[in-house]
Amino acid sequence: GAGVSQSPSNKVTEKGKDVELRCDPISGHTALYWYRQSLGQGLEFLIYFQGNSAPDKSGLPSDRFSAERTGGSVSTLTIQRTQQEDSAVYLCASSLYPRGRGETQYFGPGTRLLVL
Amino acid sequence: GENVEQHPSTLSVQEGDSAVIKCTYSDSASNYFPWYKQELGKGPQLIIDIRSNVGEKKDQRIAVTLNKTAKHFSLHITETQPEDSAVYFCAASTAGGSQGNLIFGKGTKLSVKP
Repeated sequence: GAGVSQSPSNKVTEKGKDVELRCDPISGHTALYWYRQSLGQGLEFLIYFQGNSAPDKSGLPSDRFSAERTGGSVSTLTIQRTQQEDSAVYLCASSLYPRGRGETQYFGPGTRLLVL
Repeated sequence: GENVEQHPSTLSVQEGDSAVIKCTYSDSASNYFPWYKQELGKGPQLIIDIRSNVGEKKDQRIAVTLNKTAKHFSLHITETQPEDSAVYFCAASTAGGSQGNLIFGKGTKLSVKP
């Protein structure tokens, strides 16, 4: 079956512009995560969605970052007024069950964002 | 909160040799430890995981060991092949809690020379 897909695969934008990144999780997966991966760094947790529950936004680095998940499926990560330090790979992952159960997370290929 | 340290940051081995990557964690409540492999231009993929009620787990050429007392776990790859070249990430989480976020190490870039 299809895995996690993300679009666009690459995005180049100018400082100050807004960007939207999209994630399509595996069908039927209730949990969805966004991570940021900077060059040479590990994966930094951003936000977690589980079903219809309020998302865990504790990893968002600033109020310029927001995310939503419509209909319990597709998710969009929005970065407003982009800064050069936002340049990174943004990864989305989904899992069948909620976090805290040692569930495998399946990652998408990521969106490579470059802010000029 | 949890902190995961991973070493080495880079590792180069000859084809056929073994490779070992080590991670330490800080939260004694952590009980789930996955390892992910990330190839260039792709997202991470789970290759093996271990839970705290097990000390060792093997899957063909890959094995993971866990020492809860010392709070460290290791990935062992035997008979390495060029296609094993990738970045490997360890992670830890507290399964069973309301949080349960995976905390990742910073990765090890493994190069297998033919």
